[in-house]
Amino acid sequence: DVKVTQSSRYLVKRTGEKVFLECVQDMDHENMFWYRQDPGLGLRLIYFSYDVKMKEKGDIPEGYSVSREKKERFSLILESASTNQTSMYLCASLAAGGGNQPQHFGDGTRLSIL
Amino acid sequence: RKEVEQDPGPFNVPEGATVAFNCTYSNSASQSFFWYRQDCRKEPKLLMSVYSSGNEDGRFTAQLNRASQYISLLIRDSKLSDSATYLCVVTGPGGSYIPTFGRGTSLIVHP
Repeated sequence: DVKVTQSSRYLVKRTGEKVFLECVQDMDHENMFWYRQDPGLGLRLIYFSYDVKMKEKGDIPEGYSVSREKKERFSLILESASTNQTSMYLCASLAAGGGNQPQHFGDGTRLSIL
Repeated sequence: RKEVEQDPGPFNVPEGATVAFNCTYSNSASQSFFWYRQDCRKEPKLLMSVYSSGNEDGRFTAQLNRASQYISLLIRDSKLSDSATYLCVVTGPGGSYIPTFGRGTSLIVHP
């Protein structure tokens, strides 16, 4: 069974801090994704990665960066946290050529920026 | 126009009822279709894939209508535990594997 693990369930940070959200998957999936989810807006794609050291911008990359140094780990970085980045952050992984495969999600990180 | 559209609901139904959700998608070349379930403050979890011929898993039936570009989810004999948000997900076309999510339909099953 696919396991996607996010480092924190709840996180509280201050405006201006650099924030790291970590995600690890154990199924050797090539593709990994970061989303944020806000009430009424659904899931919005921030960044995704289809291979080690490769990354692509999603729909809302502004204010975020990512790192994929190892296949199993995909990190989301808030360079200078702002209150409008308070949200639920979800990491997902997907097998290569995954058009017919579903994504698998981590538990999510509820991030509050004060 | 949003690529994947769902009625947000909420659908408020009594236990034992049959309820159906539809989801429309804009890209006729879309290839793969899924329904996810998301409980309050939890992550989305795969409920079922949707196959061209339609498929059933216990009380849940999913169907695809390519001509009209929609997928549906039917839940029979609703249980209190079915209360959740149901997300429609569409992938494709071609080699694109980036899923597009609907905003979800909220279901509330009451005693």
